[in-house]
Amino acid sequence: DGGITQSPKYLFRKEGQNVTLSCEQNLNHDAMYWYRQDPGQGLRLIYYSQIVNDFQKGDIAEGYSVSREKKESFPLTVTSAQKNPTAFYLCASSIQAGGNTGELFFGEGSRLTVL
Amino acid sequence: GENVEQHPSTLSVQEGDSAVIKCTYSDSASNYFPWYKQELGKRPQLIIDIRSNVGEKKDQRIAVTLNKTAKHFSLHITETQPEDSAVYFCAASGTGRRALTFGSGTRLQVQP
Repeated sequence: DGGITQSPKYLFRKEGQNVTLSCEQNLNHDAMYWYRQDPGQGLRLIYYSQIVNDFQKGDIAEGYSVSREKKESFPLTVTSAQKNPTAFYLCASSIQAGGNTGELFFGEGSRLTVL
Repeated sequence: GENVEQHPSTLSVQEGDSAVIKCTYSDSASNYFPWYKQELGKRPQLIIDIRSNVGEKKDQRIAVTLNKTAKHFSLHITETQPEDSAVYFCAASGTGRRALTFGSGTRLQVQP
């Protein structure tokens, strides 16, 4: 069953703790993305990666970190430096064989709540 | 960087009416403009997209128009049905940053 899988679906964190959200895809896509979704603010880009071992900051990268050691995986760490981490996080991937991004395929999302 | 503005934030129509959602973008180098639909509790999914060398594209009841001079593009849904109720997002990207910048979303409610 091909697709993009995020885990966990729900996560609770105490203030001051780092947490890592997993994103795995078996679509053989080159590009992967992390977006944050807040009510009324659409999807805001945190980080993206076009190729293994390379990634770029998006519009709201502060307080987040990523790695891209494997083509299939793009984990996102929400650090204690992120001031308002409670949100819904969406991971996506695309073929991106040159040119534009092409269609993004999204995971089901991870909802992070800071207690 | 790119900035995408989307209006209206909410839209309520009667079943069978048409719905129009509008977006403007700031980066004249942007050349790809997709629209995503997100049903309640589900992931966003692409419903239609347009590239800058095309002015209009249709797919059954949905259509997208693009005005590159004015830097705006619109989604048109005709003969709306209750299953069209969802949040719709416009987005833009170019070859400079190969990642989509999304609008803030429009919640469409189709009243039966």
